[in-house]
Amino acid sequence: QSALTQPASVSGSPGQSITISCTGTSGDIGDYNYVSWYQQHPGKVPKLLIYDVSNRPSGVSSRFSGSKSGTTASLTIYGLQAEDEADYYCSSYSTSTTTYVFGTGTKVTVL
Amino acid sequence: QLQLVESGGGLVEPGGSLRLSCAASGFTFNAHYMSWIRQAPGKGLEWISYITGSGRTIYYADSVRGRFTISRDNAKNSVDLQMNRLTAEDTGVYFCARQIAVAGFDRWGQGTLVTVSS
Repeated sequence: QSALTQPASVSGSPGQSITISCTGTSGDIGDYNYVSWYQQHPGKVPKLLIYDVSNRPSGVSSRFSGSKSGTTASLTIYGLQAEDEADYYCSSYSTSTTTYVFGTGTKVTVL
Repeated sequence: QLQLVESGGGLVEPGGSLRLSCAASGFTFNAHYMSWIRQAPGKGLEWISYITGSGRTIYYADSVRGRFTISRDNAKNSVDLQMNRLTAEDTGVYFCARQIAVAGFDRWGQGTLVTVSS
């Protein structure tokens, strides 16, 4: 149950697009489409942005988009806004181990 | 409206025990898997355990298996986490979260702080 690998930080200017990667293994991201993404502002509760790789819950902005290729999942934020400055975590479920694993987390800074 | 409210956190000595509880409201509780997830101070998220809607199936992370026990009472709309043999590494904020089956965690409680220290 090793953590998924994310870049420690990603930054961008308002209006730009950024992509956060999340690298796992064939035992989690590679074999299953149970990847989800969360946004957490300092001192706040995590918020679900994406589930099942690319599905957005109702109420989540269409500026957030998820995808997957092989053992790497990605979250793209389009039209970066000041309010997007937060920590972002990916997560994957493995039906073989019946466990979840979270990513190491990425701090997004809006320049 | 939908709410998850955790309780039971506090200061406990190493080797001690604590029982956390999560009270749910505003949704059909027994239709959802529920998880406990924790976050050490200044660190990332760590999934601990989940229980299916019926309570018949339970899974744990390796880091807590054999020490922690998850349970639920669908009549009371609550899910508990019994934590035994606590160590300093168990310190953190503990969240209960509602699941979309196994797809993700769509609602989170505010969390309850557990501090293991002598």
